[in-house]
Amino acid sequence: KQEVTQIPAALSVPEGENLVLNCSFTDSAIYNLQWFRQDPGKGLTSLLLIQSSQREQTSGRLNASLDKSSGRSTLYIAASQPGDSATYLCAVRLSGGYQKVTFGIGTKLQVIP
Amino acid sequence: DTGVSQNPRHKITKRGQNVTFRCDPISEHNRLYWYRQTLGQGPEFLTYFQNEAQLEKSRLLSDRFSAERPKGSFSTLEIQRTEQGDSAMYLCASSRYRLTSTDTQYFGPGTRLTVL
Repeated sequence: KQEVTQIPAALSVPEGENLVLNCSFTDSAIYNLQWFRQDPGKGLTSLLLIQSSQREQTSGRLNASLDKSSGRSTLYIAASQPGDSATYLCAVRLSGGYQKVTFGIGTKLQVIP
Repeated sequence: DTGVSQNPRHKITKRGQNVTFRCDPISEHNRLYWYRQTLGQGPEFLTYFQNEAQLEKSRLLSDRFSAERPKGSFSTLEIQRTEQGDSAMYLCASSRYRLTSTDTQYFGPGTRLTVL
């Protein structure tokens, strides 16, 4: 059974700081890993998707890395802004043709102006 | 550009009543997913459709839950004889499967169910 853990559970940083969110998963036989953002009471917005054959993906100030063998991914946010305040969720899909995605409980980020 | 839409956005019901939620995926997306999210937790996978075929179901989907996607477009999720433990946000997502694509899931805003 795939288990996804996210550390820290909550993070508060001053505006402009660079930060790293961590995600770990127990089964390394993954198809892909995806990072999402969720604002309070809202649905999820996909940020970055990394296929199992890839090591990292970048979009603007966001960079996600994947180390499949160690079961870890990191989301790096550069020059954080108050608008980045949200919960960030990591989600893993296993290989083998399955569509089920297992989510972590998320890291709640607050960027203080 | 219309994203995934879900109706209703909020539903309050009494224990024992039946409820039905609707999800309209992004046009031409052939895959549709349902998730349940309780407060402080990540979403939990419930079920998945490819076109009109329901191909995966979680053990979380008890006999009181049923999902359909009759024409491969919109989908409904019905909960019969609701219980207080069913209170949660129900999220729908869709994706377009192609061999050369990454099959990214796009989520709707969710339906928040409160069972009194």
